[in-house]
Amino acid sequence: GAGVSQSPSNKVTEKGKDVELRCDPISGHTALYWYRQSLGQGLEFLIYFQGNSAPDKSGLPSDRFSAERTGGSVSTLTIQRTQQEDSAVYLCASSLEGQGYQPQHFGDGTRLSIL
Amino acid sequence: QKEVEQDPGPLSVPEGAIVSLNCTYSNSAFQYFMWYRQYSRKGPELLMYTYSSGNKEDGRFTAQVDKSSKYISLFIRDSQPSDSATYLCAMNKGEYGNKLVFGAGTILRVKS
Repeated sequence: GAGVSQSPSNKVTEKGKDVELRCDPISGHTALYWYRQSLGQGLEFLIYFQGNSAPDKSGLPSDRFSAERTGGSVSTLTIQRTQQEDSAVYLCASSLEGQGYQPQHFGDGTRLSIL
Repeated sequence: QKEVEQDPGPLSVPEGAIVSLNCTYSNSAFQYFMWYRQYSRKGPELLMYTYSSGNKEDGRFTAQVDKSSKYISLFIRDSQPSDSATYLCAMNKGEYGNKLVFGAGTILRVKS
């Protein structure tokens, strides 16, 4: 079956612009996660959705970052007024549920470059 | 100090060698331990997961967890050039939400 799908795969934008990154989770997965992978910081958690709610936003680095999920499916991560330090690979993962242990399956990410 | 420490390598081995990859962690609340493999420009792919201490084997891969030492390992037997990738350890507390905490990843190169 289809895995986690992310778009765009690459995004280059100028400092100060807003960007939107999209994630399509595996069908039927209620839990959705966003992570960021950068050279200096490794892979870091950003936000967790259960259904359309985000009970854990503790990893969002600033108020320029926001995310939403609609219909218990697609999620969008928005970065406003991008800065060069936002350059990273943004990864989305989904799992059947957010309770107990459920394996998280990752998409291939969006590689974001801020000029 | 990071919660999860992992030597970034690179680790270079000849084809057929046994590979040992390791992570240490500081938070005793971690209960679930995972190993992901990541190829260049791809997302992490789950290889193994274990709950609490003990061993788990799957084909050429064996995962070990020693909670008393806060140390986890992944062994790869009969390594192949196709095993060349970055290996990430990850763990979580098994709480609601289950966010993963990752090591930095070890780059593995298997030479033919």
